[in-house]
Amino acid sequence: ETGVTQSPTHLIKTRGQQVTLRCSSQSGHNTVSWYQQALGQGPQFIFQYYREEENGRGNFPPRFSGLQFPNYSSELNVNALELDDSALYLCASSLSGTGGYEQYFGPGTRLTVT
Amino acid sequence: EDQVTQSPEALRLQEGESSSLNCSYTVSGLRGLFWYRQDPGKGPEFLFTLYSAGEEKEKERLKATLTKKESFLHITAPKPEDSATYLCAVQADTGGFKTIFGAGTRLFVKA
Repeated sequence: ETGVTQSPTHLIKTRGQQVTLRCSSQSGHNTVSWYQQALGQGPQFIFQYYREEENGRGNFPPRFSGLQFPNYSSELNVNALELDDSALYLCASSLSGTGGYEQYFGPGTRLTVT
Repeated sequence: EDQVTQSPEALRLQEGESSSLNCSYTVSGLRGLFWYRQDPGKGPEFLFTLYSAGEEKEKERLKATLTKKESFLHITAPKPEDSATYLCAVQADTGGFKTIFGAGTRLFVKA
């Protein structure tokens, strides 16, 4: 059974640029969620995709957007990067987007915005 | 407003010294409460899911309990390898699903 994978591991971008982060779900999982984790804080929910549709969103501006593909892999896109976007970005997959299911996390992508 | 508060922020124990971590929550449409362990530089690792008040789950030296307002993670006779950040999260259905994490409790167990 393959776990959740994310790419790239680390990324350095300049303020104002755009970035795309990628995630492959655990085998058999149809739901993907994305989180932002600042140093010393808990993960902050960005959004969730269930069967290729966004079915939940946290308090993040529209410049944070996502996609889920038919094979349930996913992308997180961030436009017009700001210094405060520097964080660990985590992807998590679960069996269902209807709630109540545990999520399995990838190792994260460390984004630094300069 | 939906929120999750964990206490204490940090906890230092001697090996074998049992203790408890607290997670207080306020959320509408609770679908589940989850405990995760996170080691430095890694993604959270799933530990337990609790769905209703009175429910308990155990795994090795860890035991999680749930009431209508809070959850506890009890650690019995901890070992140095239990040192990590323990995160509590709730899933809510508020017309769209969301997951809310607490800031975590950093546990240090000294041999």
